[in-house]
Formats: sequence, structure tokens, C-alpha cells
Amino acid sequence: QVQLQESGPGLVKPSQTLSLTCTVSGASVSSAGYFWSWIRQHPGRGLEWIGYIYFNGRTYNNPSLESRMTISLDTSKNQFSLKLTSVTAADTAVYYCARDRGAEGSVDCWGQGTLVTVSS
Amino acid sequence: DIQMTQSPSTLSASVGDRVTITCRASQSVSNWLAWYQQKPGKAPKVLIYKASSLESGVPSRFSGSGSGTEFTLTISSLQPDDFATYYCQQCNSYPYTFGQGTKLDIK
Repeated sequence: QVQLQESGPGLVKPSQTLSLTCTVSGASVSSAGYFWSWIRQHPGRGLEWIGYIYFNGRTYNNPSLESRMTISLDTSKNQFSLKLTSVTAADTAVYYCARDRGAEGSVDCWGQGTLVTVSS
Repeated sequence: DIQMTQSPSTLSASVGDRVTITCRASQSVSNWLAWYQQKPGKAPKVLIYKASSLESGVPSRFSGSGSGTEFTLTISSLQPDDFATYYCQQCNSYPYTFGQGTKLDIK
């Protein structure tokens, strides 16, 4: 059974960097075919796709966030991470890590989500 | 970016009803369309992928149809567990985008 678990600070000050890690169990981030993704949901609102990283390190970032974000892979720990710099209150959201199946065109596994609040 | 628009935004229905939710794309996404169900405080769960393929383990009362720019999610006979928010997502081109959601509540 594949499981994903987000970890990181729940409170970040404005202008600082949001850092989250997703630990994957039951699957390998080094395997082809899946896109390890970040998706966020602003309170009471819809879903926003942030970006993904592939097993070979290839990434795609949402252009709306691209200048501030980095997604990286740590195959030794079976983890992938998100860094978002210069955060503002608009970055307050529940952040999900997720597995996108690529060929089936959908996300089949999600972390439980972690609320990150940007506030001083 | 491809804009996804769902209708209605809210839907009130009763157990046993047949309900349909529509999702329209601002440009063709072929059949690269997924439907998710989300309950409060939980992550979304995929129901349908590639417009009409039923995810393993999802009850057969859920079905999807459409291609190009117009898609529908149908629940043939609502069950108490189905009251939730539903989202469509296009997976045709980056950045992937979601509809704004349809909240299905009890009449």
C-alpha cells in the first residue's frame, strides 16, 4: 500500500521560505512512470497544482509560482521536497504531496495534507 | 492555462437521486479529464480517470463521459456516503488545472 506523508513547519513568517518534505512508503520515487507532485488548497477554496518531479530529476513548475519554487528528490530517503521562497499570506494553504500516474492522467495517492499558515 | 468550469457550484439532492455534474474546459483536453471526491478535512480521492474509466474500488454508480471540452460525472443513485465536494481536473497540458468544485449536499 502506497502512503505519502507531508512534514514541515505549520507556521512560516512572511518573506521567509516554506519547506515541506514528503516521505513515500510502499513505492519508490526512483521508479519510472509516476510524477511526484505538490498540490495546494487555499482555505475553503479549490485545488491548485504546484508542480512535479520525475524519477530522473526532471521537474515542471506552475508558471504562477515558478520564480519562487523548487522541487527536489532524495532517492536515498525515498522523499521529495518543496521549497517556496518569499511567502505571503496568499501562500497560506493546505499542501498535499501526491503521486500522479502520468499514463492514466490522474493522482491516485495523496498525503493527508498539511496546513501551512503564513503569519508574523 | 486551461480554465475548467464546473456547474452547478452547489447541488442539493436526496438519497436515491440521479445527479449529474458538468465540467467545461476553455479548450480541448481530449479525454484527459479526471474526477475527484473530497470530504471535509480529507484529501481528494480519484473516482474517474481518462474521462470515463472507473478507478478500481469505486462503486459502479459513478460514471464519467465526454471528450474535448465538455464532460459529465453522473451518480446513478445517491448514497449517504456520496455527499461531498467533487472536482474535475484536466491532465492534458501543464499546468494541470482543476474546476472550482461542486458541493453536493443533502436536500
